[in-house]
Amino acid sequence: DGGITQSPKYLFRKEGQNVTLSCEQNLNHDAMYWYRQDPGQGLRLIYYSQIVNDFQKGDIAEGYSVSREKKESFPLTVTSAQKNPTAFYLCASSKQGDYGYTFGSGTRLTVV
Amino acid sequence: QQQVKQSPQSLIVQKGGISIINCAYENTAFDYFPWYQQFPGKGPALLIAIRPDVSEKKEGRFTISFNKSAKQFSLHIMDSQPGDSATYFCAASIRADKLIFGTGTRLQVFP
Repeated sequence: DGGITQSPKYLFRKEGQNVTLSCEQNLNHDAMYWYRQDPGQGLRLIYYSQIVNDFQKGDIAEGYSVSREKKESFPLTVTSAQKNPTAFYLCASSKQGDYGYTFGSGTRLTVV
Repeated sequence: QQQVKQSPQSLIVQKGGISIINCAYENTAFDYFPWYQQFPGKGPALLIAIRPDVSEKKEGRFTISFNKSAKQFSLHIMDSQPGDSATYFCAASIRADKLIFGTGTRLQVFP
């Protein structure tokens, strides 16, 4: 079955540590996206990539970094520069020119 | 200009009732308006979507009403069921570029 896999489902880190969230898709989708979800604030775009080796900043990119070395993979690193990293992180993908997104099940990151 | 404003933030409906969630936008270049449904601990899933050349789209108990002149669109859930209890997000996009999401509505349907 095709889909998007985010791992791990829950992640705990100490303040000041970088952490990388995994996102893998086997849908052969060209575009991939990272969103952050906080209560009452909806989904806010962190980074997106429409082709391999290229990505663009979203609305809240500060304190985050990404890479897109393979079509299937779009990992997100939450750096120590992110002031409030505790949140639910969602990865999504879509075909080029297609409006519909497929989302993963998310990673809940807690920084203590 | 890129925002999508959604209301209400939360909604409580009795089983069998009609749930209505509203969204408004400013950018007239938006050409795709989907609604996503999210259950706790899960990612959002596409529920129904509409293009601005159509005023209404119905899929089962779910209907999108679109008012181009008012720059508003809404989701109507007829005969609401407890299984519909979830968070609903409206969104908008221009030419299949990134989706801009509303802030979400938490719907609770009581038996």
